[in-house]
Amino acid sequence: SAVISQKPSRDICQRGTSLTIQCQVDSQVTMMFWYRQQPGQSLTLIATANQGSEATYESGFVIDKFPISRPNLTFSTLTVSNMSPEDSSIYLCSALTGTVYQETQYFGPGTRLLVL
Amino acid sequence: SQQGEEDPQALSIQEGENATMNCSYKTSINNLQWYRQNSGRGLVHLILIRSNEREKHSGRLRVTLDTSKKSSSLLITASRAADTASYFCATGVKNTGNQFYFGTGTSLTVIP
Repeated sequence: SAVISQKPSRDICQRGTSLTIQCQVDSQVTMMFWYRQQPGQSLTLIATANQGSEATYESGFVIDKFPISRPNLTFSTLTVSNMSPEDSSIYLCSALTGTVYQETQYFGPGTRLLVL
Repeated sequence: SQQGEEDPQALSIQEGENATMNCSYKTSINNLQWYRQNSGRGLVHLILIRSNEREKHSGRLRVTLDTSKKSSSLLITASRAADTASYFCATGVKNTGNQFYFGTGTSLTVIP
């Protein structure tokens, strides 16, 4: 298993500013992901955070808006850039552990973002 | 979209009854996982079923997988008020580099 922490847990930001969310895993993991969850909705995958290389983004998400870093196997950051009220959401990071075909995702507690 | 769909969207039952939730998906998968999310809280991994498995049990949870129909079900037996939460299925899709795609979720309310 993996224990994941995120900082900040919540924030209120002004339109046009940027926020960087940190994700720390208590053990080395091969893969980390970032998701967004609108209130009452399911999770949408933003990107895969690749260690030592550029993140892989899902359709509808771009690096300029959501730059991601992953400097090592236990840490990643997601920046929400030039924020607008539509970016208000919960942002979750996850880490993948386990053997092939039995990989399990563990999630951080999430970062609640409100953009005014 | 690779996102799965779950039904029902909402389910309300009496404590002690069984709750069944279904998940349908679109593509070939490596495995399927069920998660629980209490209101305003993080996701908790419940159970994983591999694509070559048909049924799996964990405590009061029973998961089935029918890859021919691209569907899975989660059964919670003898439900408790503490089971009140949203339940999501997530599919580990083949050939996508281990990404997981989440279903739309079922909101379960267990009435004491």
